[in-house]
Amino acid sequence: NAGVTQTPKFRVLKTGQSMTLLCAQDMNHEYMYWYRQDPGMGLRLIHYSVGEGTTAKGEVPDGYNVSRLKKQNFLLGLESAAPSQTSVYFCASSYSIASGQENTGELFFGEGSRLTVL
Amino acid sequence: GQNIDQPTEMTATEGAIVQINCTYQTSGFNGLFWYQQHAGEAPTFLSYNVLDGLEEKGRFSSFLSRSKGYSYLLLKELQMKDSASYLCAVKDSNYQLIWGAGTKLIIKP
Repeated sequence: NAGVTQTPKFRVLKTGQSMTLLCAQDMNHEYMYWYRQDPGMGLRLIHYSVGEGTTAKGEVPDGYNVSRLKKQNFLLGLESAAPSQTSVYFCASSYSIASGQENTGELFFGEGSRLTVL
Repeated sequence: GQNIDQPTEMTATEGAIVQINCTYQTSGFNGLFWYQQHAGEAPTFLSYNVLDGLEEKGRFSSFLSRSKGYSYLLLKELQMKDSASYLCAVKDSNYQLIWGAGTKLIIKP
């Protein structure tokens, strides 16, 4: 059971280059998320998707684009990388966005992708 | 604005008990989560509270007081493998998760 898989795990880019991070989940989850994690800060939501073909902006969407062409995949693109985008990126998925006594709506995370922009 | 506060770092001794506090101010409340994150790894789900009171799961317990905007994670019989960061997160009225910066827990022999 793979869960949530991210590729690549590590990448070094030069300023202005573009790249795509791929996230795949095999749990048939409707909801998928891209977060970035920086030292001393909480996880920040970049973009998310509530189902195949839909995407929405999170807290810090500028400089990123996403696509959800298939339910199991969620792609994060950087069109023109900047040093401020140096971070660890986590993809996550959940069965539900809501939470209650019967369903926690917990997130399942991928292993992370460490991106350095020089 | 929305805010989650938790201590940056705590140190405890193997075999002891430690309590990690989390206070929050959010637009609405739809549950509070604790996640564990070992260095260089992904966060993993530990506990969930939506009603006031204590939820116990083996060596870990989590407490919630919605009126005080307060939660704590209690870890008993500490083991070296418990050295990790512990992330507190609250789901707001729009079901968006607001994350704290995490508490790095260091366990000493």
